[in-house]
Amino acid sequence: DAGVTQSPTHLIKTRGQQVTLRCSPKSGHDTVSWYQQALGQGPQFIFQYYEEEERQRGNFPDRFSGHQFPNYSSELNVNALLLGDSALYLCASRVASGGLRYEQYFGPGTRLTVT
Amino acid sequence: AQRVTQPEKLLSVFKGAPVELKCNYSYSGSPELFWYVQYSRQRLQLLLRHISRESIKGFTADLNKGETSFHLKKPFAQEEDSAMYYCALTYNTDKLIFGTGTRLQVFP
Repeated sequence: DAGVTQSPTHLIKTRGQQVTLRCSPKSGHDTVSWYQQALGQGPQFIFQYYEEEERQRGNFPDRFSGHQFPNYSSELNVNALLLGDSALYLCASRVASGGLRYEQYFGPGTRLTVT
Repeated sequence: AQRVTQPEKLLSVFKGAPVELKCNYSYSGSPELFWYVQYSRQRLQLLLRHISRESIKGFTADLNKGETSFHLKKPFAQEEDSAMYYCALTYNTDKLIFGTGTRLQVFP
């Protein structure tokens, strides 16, 4: 099991463009969360998907949207990119059953640079 | 507002010295506290959580509700402990609130 995988590893976009990041959860996991980690900061929660629906959302504008597919994989979409969106985007997955104390597993992240 | 504070950006010690990475939090309820670690060129991973009350890789952390602290300690640091350490909390959700992290450097 490769654990949580994310693609692409890096990408560079221009202000105003749109971007889609992808995440495949760890085998057996059905809940996916996305985090943004700016340079020198800790990760910040964007939103969580379970059963193909957004269940929780952090303090991020509507430009940030997502999707979860029937196979539990997920996408993060960011529209109208700003320079401040440059960051490492992390995906984390866990198993929904067993309560909230199940460990979240993080992916390696996608490094987004907006120029 | 919920907040996690890690006052030290960098902590440097020599091998064999004791280590204490500080973490303070602000939350009115009873959150769950975690320590995550990121070794060089590796992904973020859970080190320990307060509800488990366990020692991982020689590290322990005690939740002090009176002082709202969850400091990470190890009596004798090893070079392989060098990494970025993040304190995080959650309360009945999957939303983890992270601190800004402390880089631990252990010199030989």
